Amino acid sequence: NAGVTQTPKFQVLKTGQSMTLQCAQDMNHNSMYWYRQDPGMGLRLIYYSASEGTTDKGEVPNGYNVSRLNKREFSLRLESAAPSQTSVYFCASRKGGQRNQPQHFGDGTRLSIL
Amino acid sequence: DAKTTQPPSMDCAEGRAANLPCNHSTISGNEYVYWYRQIHSQGPQYIIHGLKNNETNEMASLIITEDRKSSTLILPHATLRDTAVYYCIVKDGGSQGNLIFGKGTKLSVKP
Repeated sequence: NAGVTQTPKFQVLKTGQSMTLQCAQDMNHNSMYWYRQDPGMGLRLIYYSASEGTTDKGEVPNGYNVSRLNKREFSLRLESAAPSQTSVYFCASRKGGQRNQPQHFGDGTRLSIL
Repeated sequence: DAKTTQPPSMDCAEGRAANLPCNHSTISGNEYVYWYRQIHSQGPQYIIHGLKNNETNEMASLIITEDRKSSTLILPHATLRDTAVYYCIVKDGGSQGNLIFGKGTKLSVKP
């Protein structure tokens, strides 16, 4: 029962390089989310996709793009990585439909930008 | 979404019940109380949620006061693996958008 799977688990980039973080869920959930977590801080929403074919900006979208490839997969792209994007990135999914469905999270991608 | 207040840290002896409080005095009628935890550097783990009735699942129990202004998460028999930061989040169950994770309560389960 995999749940939400994120790849890669760790990555080191140089400033200016590009990278795509992958997220897939096997729970047939409608909504998917990308968060970042910085030391000593809570999670901040980057982008979300309420359903297949739609995406919306969250609290901190600058420097990122997303693609909802299909119902299972939601990718996050850094076009030109900056040191300020060093963080732990979490993907989450939510069933939707009913009002109170919780979000379920992956184990994160730890990204360092040098 | 209503703001929540939690103690920054708590200790609990292994095998005893851990009772984690949360105040949410400005909660509105359509907002649910969700509990998550984050163990070390793993992703947040969903524990339980409720609207106004007490809830129980295989992980924990959630007790919500009648006026809904506070709640308590109960881990009935805490183990060392329950050491984590526990987050109480209040959110409109039907809305999209982010969960707002505050600073949570750091629970340390001691042998």
